[in-house]
Amino acid sequence: DADVTQTPRNRITKTGKRIMLECSQTKGHDRMYWYRQDPGLGLRLIYYSFDVKDINKGEISDGYSVSRQAQAKFSLSLESAIPNQTALYFCATSGGGTSGRDNEQFFGPGTRLTVL
Amino acid sequence: GESVGLHLPTLSVQEGDNSIINCAYSNSASDYFIWYKQESGKGPQFIIDIRSNMDKRQGQRVTVLLNKTVKHLSLQIAATQPGDSAVYFCAELTGGGNKLTFGTGTQLKVEL
Repeated sequence: DADVTQTPRNRITKTGKRIMLECSQTKGHDRMYWYRQDPGLGLRLIYYSFDVKDINKGEISDGYSVSRQAQAKFSLSLESAIPNQTALYFCATSGGGTSGRDNEQFFGPGTRLTVL
Repeated sequence: GESVGLHLPTLSVQEGDNSIINCAYSNSASDYFIWYKQESGKGPQFIIDIRSNMDKRQGQRVTVLLNKTVKHLSLQIAATQPGDSAVYFCAELTGGGNKLTFGTGTQLKVEL
């Protein structure tokens, strides 16, 4: 989805290295999310942010940190990567609000991360 | 804890047949549900949504049915086409309306 971009698209790194995944959006949404997807599993929420000053842990935040640099940018960091963090990572945005459709999340194309 | 799950991990259908993908949810307080489609190498994309005050909602070739009594959600795809091959996820709005919780996904394979 061109409105939500992720860099890099693919990354191979070694155990113990620090790595940052970046997400940018042009949808003007306040809410941003980071998910990880493993084969055969659904999307699991790592962190989410409802505005620049708001950061919340998701269900699997251990080993990860995030930074909301601006409304349009939300980065995910692995301070010391380990092999079981090998996965597909997705960033998403939503507008929020009271309407159900406002909670629709728009996803980026994903980053495939391999930790050796 | 609360969870969203799917009954069948893989569904194979013949081109032109109808597909039915099922989803069970356990959070009775959820009032909004979305079906997403994820094609290979791409992020999930919205297909259709439904609020809990509805039993059925139709889109173009897709219908979502909601049975709150048994906490069951289904996605029906009419006249399935090769382009429908993808993984389909259901998601429910939880956390007081703040988060989407996703099911594990069903792989739909369309056979020619």
